[in-house]
Amino acid sequence: AQKITQTQPGMFVQEKEAVTLDCTYDTSDPSYGLFWYKQPSSGEMIFLIYQGSYDQQNATEGRYSLNFQKARKSANLVISASQLGDSAMYFCAMREGPHGNNRLAFGKGNQVVVIP
Amino acid sequence: AAGVIQSPRHLIKEKRETATLKCYPIPRHDTVYWYQQGPGQDPQFLISFYEKMQSDKGSIPDRFSAQQFSDYHSELNMSSLELGDSALYFCASSLSAEGFSSPLHFGNGTRLTVT
Repeated sequence: AQKITQTQPGMFVQEKEAVTLDCTYDTSDPSYGLFWYKQPSSGEMIFLIYQGSYDQQNATEGRYSLNFQKARKSANLVISASQLGDSAMYFCAMREGPHGNNRLAFGKGNQVVVIP
Repeated sequence: AAGVIQSPRHLIKEKRETATLKCYPIPRHDTVYWYQQGPGQDPQFLISFYEKMQSDKGSIPDRFSAQQFSDYHSELNMSSLELGDSALYFCASSLSAEGFSSPLHFGNGTRLTVT
């Protein structure tokens, strides 16, 4: 069963505007971490931001922030002040369990195109 | 800062041939992961190594094998290649001491094309 769900169709966003990418997850493990990665058309996978299951506050990293709603099992990524370079595929991923060497499971991704 | 190094960047093979992909993790990282990403797909976990021992196994075909060497570099060996093996293969590394917050740092990938 898919543990990470990203169902939004491709999104177009105006430059300088904010965009929210949805991610819901499924786990019964109390210890887990949620990660967002960016994959531009060049193909590399770039780590953006992390949220832990025990974190009390939403994670922020520059223009990226996470809207973490634990009871709803959602971890939406907010990109503020979009730039043309933000055009990419964005993947939500989860690591279950307390060990730092467990695998990440990825969602299907959200395509974002920033238009001038 | 040092990143994960993968080689080659591109590889073209014919059906039934073999291929070897190499990965050099970030220094001090003790865990290496291999992922396969088909066109328009999400990355699929293949296999991982912790301190040179296989630690987890995902959807890796029996035709594929991998190992991690004493210098921590890893190789993914693929035999009897099929057209469906055409994909972007990522290696990633992480430091387990950081716990489950430790992100995977990905290399730039090897794009394998099987003709």
